[in-house]
Amino acid sequence: GNSVTQMEGPVTLSEEAFLTINCTYTATGYPSLFWYVQYPGEGLQLLLKATKADDKGSNKGFEATYRKETTSFHLEKGSVQVSDSAVYFCALIYGSGAGSYQLTFGKGTKLSVIP
Amino acid sequence: KAGVTQTPRYLIKTRGQQVTLSCSPISGHRSVSWYQQTPGQGLQFLFEYFSETQRNKGNFPGRFSGRQFSNSRSEMNVSTLELGDSALYLCASSLPGTESSWGPVVYSYEQYFGPGTRLTVT
Repeated sequence: GNSVTQMEGPVTLSEEAFLTINCTYTATGYPSLFWYVQYPGEGLQLLLKATKADDKGSNKGFEATYRKETTSFHLEKGSVQVSDSAVYFCALIYGSGAGSYQLTFGKGTKLSVIP
Repeated sequence: KAGVTQTPRYLIKTRGQQVTLSCSPISGHRSVSWYQQTPGQGLQFLFEYFSETQRNKGNFPGRFSGRQFSNSRSEMNVSTLELGDSALYLCASSLPGTESSWGPVVYSYEQYFGPGTRLTVT
């Protein structure tokens, strides 16, 4: 079946450090890929998305490229800030027939950025 | 435009009771999905509703049910609560994305999440 694997956390970085969170997926067909972020006590916010191979999603300095050959969608940011501290989820969406669809999430990676 | 709202935000119930959670989607969104988030299992899909019909269901027992009203608002119900049902229940609404014309169908639905309902079963 479809699944998402992302690197285990927690990840602790100093402010202005480079961030990479690895994400790989297993899916049939052509899923769309997403990164969501969850701040403490809140729901999930869509951070970025990519819908086909070689697409690059970007938002708020974060980037991820849909790599079909390696089935990966790694999240990167060149210089993290304390405000980026949150849990990051990689996810894919696929059709389930009859026009329906569902998101499958990775386990989440907790990022802590220290001043 | 107002976001997805969920009520109540926090709930404490006793084993064996039942509970109903409510979700109001973003105006104009007709699809509503529910997810359960726990530290052990992570985020798991419960079900999805569109135009008052359940189109898809995750791997949860029949104690978990839901419905959608004509105004797209949705409720989920959990009967005979168990300790393991303690979780954050998230609702998400979406508009259909565009489907690719270059080959296989590509789903680009963006789901927008509410803040969740924190259910504690004692």
